[in-house]
Amino acid sequence: DIQMTQSPSSLSASVGDRITITCRASQSIRSFLNWYQQKPGKAPKVLIYGASSLQSGVPSRFSGSGSGTYFTLIVSSLQPEDFATYFCQQSYSSPWTFGQGTKVEIK
Amino acid sequence: QVQLVQSGAEVKKPGASVKVSCKVSGYSLTELSMHWVRQSPGKGLEWMGGFDPEDDETIYAQDFQGRVTMTEDTSTGTASMELSGLRSEDTAVYYCTVQRGFSYPFFAFWGQGTLVTVSS
Repeated sequence: DIQMTQSPSSLSASVGDRITITCRASQSIRSFLNWYQQKPGKAPKVLIYGASSLQSGVPSRFSGSGSGTYFTLIVSSLQPEDFATYFCQQSYSSPWTFGQGTKVEIK
Repeated sequence: QVQLVQSGAEVKKPGASVKVSCKVSGYSLTELSMHWVRQSPGKGLEWMGGFDPEDDETIYAQDFQGRVTMTEDTSTGTASMELSGLRSEDTAVYYCTVQRGFSYPFFAFWGQGTLVTVSS
């Protein structure tokens, strides 16, 4: 199975901050990398698919990059509604696997 | 827009089976690639299996092979996931989710989740 490792596991930030979350795959997954946001008690919501494509309706302050084994999610200017947990997920090969999550908290 | 509404919370004893349903609206179930993902504090998000549109078959994660069955009733637009031989580690929130983006697959639509608690 392909292991997905996110860092950091949590971070504290302020409204307006730029934050970066990284995701590493245990082997190359080309660009088969998706990012999700999850708020407490809710299902995950896709933000980015194919490593860098913004899902329809997602604000442009979210962006993704990377290929192979190293990927990043950037939030350019954190908004109050962005405090949540973020997950990466690979869809390159079965079983599709998720990172352990990065919790973004208010500083 | 696809909407997915799941069945309610369940409490089961070890060794029992549970069946979670997912009612689809907005699209025909035959047009969708349905998957199941669970989430627990211990193991995080785990993909359990789903419909592979390239091979036109349902595939299961190895970790659940032999214990999980995913079915679809197209007459009612309802997908179901049955997990047998329950153990305490199966306590989790179970989600149905629809795959989109067949070039770069991702989970675009999600049910609200069903909490399954396994306890003696």
